[in-house]
Amino acid sequence: QVTLRESGPALVKPTQTLTLTCTFSGFSLSTRGMCVSWIRQPPGKALEWLALIDWDDDKYYSTSLKNRLTISKDTSKNQVVLTMTNMDPVDTATYYCARSQASGSDPLYFYDAMDVWGQGATVTVSS
Amino acid sequence: QSVVTQPPAASGTPGQRVAISCSGSSSNIGSNYVYWYQQLPGTAPKLLIYRNNQRPSGVPDRFSGSKSGTSASLAISGLRSEDEADYYCAAWDDGGWVFGGGTKLTVL
Repeated sequence: QVTLRESGPALVKPTQTLTLTCTFSGFSLSTRGMCVSWIRQPPGKALEWLALIDWDDDKYYSTSLKNRLTISKDTSKNQVVLTMTNMDPVDTATYYCARSQASGSDPLYFYDAMDVWGQGATVTVSS
Repeated sequence: QSVVTQPPAASGTPGQRVAISCSGSSSNIGSNYVYWYQQLPGTAPKLLIYRNNQRPSGVPDRFSGSKSGTSASLAISGLRSEDEADYYCAAWDDGGWVFGGGTKLTVL
């Protein structure tokens, strides 16, 4: 059974750096094809994809936020970490991590569905 | 990454068929698969449709997806009260995922 769980501070101050950890089980990020994404959702608003890291350590970022985001993995701990710098009140949101898989064969593989999601971590940015 | 557009709201009565549209561009829907997610109030999103029209195990066949060109559609037939939720489409676009703005489905 695949599960993911987000953890991190519930409250951060403006200008601080947010560090979130996604701890997962039921799969390994060293297995070819496995990927983890971060997605956020401000209160009452839509989902916004943030970043993806894959088994080969390829990383992709939201164009609008890439200057503030860093995604990394620790395969020995089954964890993916997202850092977001210079936090602002507009970054207040529920942050989710989700598993996906790359399908197809080299070099024509594609990133497939985010099929299992964590329950989300609520982050409030306020002084 | 380009914008993907959904109507903000949709509604129907129990038993009806409802369709939710998702409009994108050649860089996302036009050249990649479309995925649909259902988000019930207070819960994490759940995968509803993958690769345009495939249902994961456990998703009722009342839910169906289609794609044509740069647009896609989610259809729900035999509408039920438990279908009241937010629905999001998503597609890969130029190095990242893009989500639609979401459609709030109300069952009247």
